[in-house]
Amino acid sequence: QSVLTQPPSASGTPGQRVTISCSGSSSNIGSKSVNWYQQLPGTAPKLLIYSNNQRPSGVPDRFSGSKSGTSASLAISGLQSEDEADYYCAAWDDSLNGVVFGGGTKLTVL
Amino acid sequence: VQLVESGGGLVQPAGSLRLSCAASGFTFSSYNMNWVRQAPGKGLEWVSHISSGSSSIYYADSVKGRFTISRDNAKNSLYLQLNSLRAEDTAVYYCARASVTYSGVDYWGQGTLVTVSS
Repeated sequence: QSVLTQPPSASGTPGQRVTISCSGSSSNIGSKSVNWYQQLPGTAPKLLIYSNNQRPSGVPDRFSGSKSGTSASLAISGLQSEDEADYYCAAWDDSLNGVVFGGGTKLTVL
Repeated sequence: VQLVESGGGLVQPAGSLRLSCAASGFTFSSYNMNWVRQAPGKGLEWVSHISSGSSSIYYADSVKGRFTISRDNAKNSLYLQLNSLRAEDTAVYYCARASVTYSGVDYWGQGTLVTVSS
């Protein structure tokens, strides 16, 4: 059971906007920044969003992040077939002294 | 930035293994590092963290007392000693760099598979 809670699955059709939620507590999301990772099948995770809403160089602006209180969200607009992947939220946890991850959300592009 | 893990393989329950991560393309000694694992078909699980100078070390409860993280800044290398291995330790183990500008991992290696089975 993961410390951060994500829906196990999400789906959308090409061009649609999809959001993935991530719920935590005061010891992690509530006091620390949230990062999002994309994991394509058979590959290592890749940083998608850092510090709640910042995109690393090379990440399309179709991807955006937000945080409010102890929850965070990842939004993907203009959905494309290559966005089909697993998405994980993560944050440092002060009470566990470690990184905590969400259980991951499998995004399917219909 | 390049992180290359090695040392994975098949090991019997209660056995030991040492994983290595060779870092290049950045000043290794300036960065905190982590090990993160992923069991087959499962999500990501943080395993351990070590600060740039090895002064701060943390472990997940699931591996505390069995795994030991270490680093050699002169060799640009990160290590994870796995002892008393269990079937539930079977996973791909990723070496992951912690960002210096924000809280979190910014780069991942390709991973090395550890299989614990008799």
